[in-house]
Amino acid sequence: NAGVTQTPKFQVLKTGQSMTLQCAQDMNHEYMSWYRQDPGMGLRLIHYSVGAGITDQGEVPNGYNVSRSTTEDFPLRLLSAAPSQTSVYFCASKGGGFSLAFFGQGTRLTVV
Amino acid sequence: AQSVTQPDIHITVSEGASLELRCNYSYGATPYLFWYVQSPGQGLQLLLKYFSGDTLVQGIKGFEAEFKRSQSSFNLRKPSVHWSDAAEYFCAVGAENTDKLIFGTGTRLQVFP
Repeated sequence: NAGVTQTPKFQVLKTGQSMTLQCAQDMNHEYMSWYRQDPGMGLRLIHYSVGAGITDQGEVPNGYNVSRSTTEDFPLRLLSAAPSQTSVYFCASKGGGFSLAFFGQGTRLTVV
Repeated sequence: AQSVTQPDIHITVSEGASLELRCNYSYGATPYLFWYVQSPGQGLQLLLKYFSGDTLVQGIKGFEAEFKRSQSSFNLRKPSVHWSDAAEYFCAVGAENTDKLIFGTGTRLQVFP
């Protein structure tokens, strides 16, 4: 009954550090995506994937990299963290056709 | 381009009063429409969804929403608000074969006793 699992839940980084936010789903969903949530901005799409080996950019992709080597995992990489990347990050997954998107519980990232 | 507008940033209501949260969307095809709720420090919980069919959809916690194609709207309603409904509410539009959702900026609901 795991659904979408995000790790870590909280993280503090120094400017310039790199890290990877992990996202895993156990529902065999084709579609996965990453959003960031900032006050007054709602959730904005960073990157998304329509299947293993296929990724594309969303609204705010700069500063983030993704890859999708397996159906289950969709990690989000920050190569050189900046204070502007302080945010709450949500991963989501969805099956095909008329189906719902499931969200992880979020990762709260602070860059100092 | 797809977009979602939630014109009300912050709404305050008294407990027991009725509620309507507005959502307008822009989308080239038949949209999938969603309302999510987020309590402080929590993730997103789906309240209800519209894919097709009956334009009045019922959700959890006594919420409902009506899809009006002519007005490009999907407003969320509740006849009697409870204090526990205080949260932030997000409207979102999506497409069939992607989980690419476009979210509105959210409406923060405050409930007074």
